[in-house]
Amino acid sequence: DARVTQTPRDKVTEMGQEVTMRCQPILGHNTVFWYRQTMMQGLELLAYFRNRAPLDDSGMPKDRFSAEMPDATLATLKIQPSEPRDSAVYFCASGLRGGTYNEQFFGPGTRLTVL
Amino acid sequence: AQKVTQAQTEISVVEKEDVTLDCVYETRDTTYYLFWYKQPPSGELVFLIRRNSFDEQNEISGRYSWNFQKSTSSFNFTITASQVVDSAVYFCALSETWGGQNFVFGPGTRLSVLP
Repeated sequence: DARVTQTPRDKVTEMGQEVTMRCQPILGHNTVFWYRQTMMQGLELLAYFRNRAPLDDSGMPKDRFSAEMPDATLATLKIQPSEPRDSAVYFCASGLRGGTYNEQFFGPGTRLTVL
Repeated sequence: AQKVTQAQTEISVVEKEDVTLDCVYETRDTTYYLFWYKQPPSGELVFLIRRNSFDEQNEISGRYSWNFQKSTSSFNFTITASQVVDSAVYFCALSETWGGQNFVFGPGTRLSVLP
């Protein structure tokens, strides 16, 4: 049963610390998405990759956030330095498509709390 | 600017009733994509459908159906013979053809299906 995995599931950290969230897409999927969900802003698309290349990360605060895919089996979302307003649930999703968005499979999310 | 409105904040129905979730969007693009996602109480996200602006055919998948009306800028979602397991928050979203910067989610509609 192929599924997207995300680690850690929960992360509590202090303001100013670096946070790295990891996502393992479904094997063979060539598109990866990062979403963020907060009470105030709702759901947002932060970035997406196709064939490991960032197609768009304009939804992401550039000064502190970075997203990468070092290889086809790992996507990372890093926040440095973290701030309390970054507290949210971060979802990763993967899909298989040669073009634009198609079906997406979501991971369970990483709940980040920045104190 | 792109915008998605889900005017129904919360809906409650009794099991086996049909229920329609409304989604109205605004865009100046002639090419765009519309989506529906489900978020059950467990918190995970489930991708339900993607529809492009050129395809106005309604879609049916089991008890789910989607009515895309370009003339009224609406993409409504109907659940037939609702079940308790359909209880969730449902999000409608809109994206232009390329680029995540204009990927916009609606605020969501919380559906409660009572036994």
